Amino acid sequence: DAGITQSPRHKVTETGTPVTLRCHQTENHRYMYWYRQDPGHGLRLIHYSYGVKDTDKGEVSDGYSVSRSKTEDFLLTLESATSSQTSVYFCAISELTGGLRFSTDTQYFGPGTRLTVL
Amino acid sequence: AQTVTQSQPEMSVQEAETVTLSCTYDTSESDYYLFWYKQPPSRQMILVIRQEAYKQQNATENRFSVNFQKAAKSFSLKISDSQLGDAAMYFCAFSSGSARQLTFGSGTQLTVLP
Repeated sequence: DAGITQSPRHKVTETGTPVTLRCHQTENHRYMYWYRQDPGHGLRLIHYSYGVKDTDKGEVSDGYSVSRSKTEDFLLTLESATSSQTSVYFCAISELTGGLRFSTDTQYFGPGTRLTVL
Repeated sequence: AQTVTQSQPEMSVQEAETVTLSCTYDTSESDYYLFWYKQPPSRQMILVIRQEAYKQQNATENRFSVNFQKAAKSFSLKISDSQLGDAAMYFCAFSSGSARQLTFGSGTQLTVLP
């Protein structure tokens, strides 16, 4: 158990409204990630963070912003939700498991948030 | 950019039998990691097994093992003595670089028949 929670777990909203999803971790992991899962696509990276106030874009970042003001929380914001952002959103953290040639990080996932944009 | 391909959208196996799920990937990097994740109906993403690219020995975790062919860029998952609880969507994933972000395949839905 990597101690990751996501809130809310389910949300229904209307097109054009802002939405913020929260990922909370309890074990001081440096790296945090947001992915979305859609049928036929597996999971795709939206944004990630490598420290407080340090974030970068992933493969599908358009329409999303993130913030990380403290180590334990990573927020994903849809400034103006669209129907194409209906998806399941997963947060993940990297767990450092060794110090060999380089970090053998393994990502562990939160339970997911199902977002429906009407 | 990395790509991960799972060419079997669905597979089935009889309980107690062995099944192999296929995965191929494309990358120009030499140092990377490969993973198999399991997603049951609960939607939780569960790590099944991990392979470091620099290790020649194939990873094993109880009934789960991989066949890692680095030159062929192939990373298959073998499940032995299949159990009903193994029924799930299985994702192959690739990780590299300092950011360690994952690139996923599209998944293989595994059905276990009693």
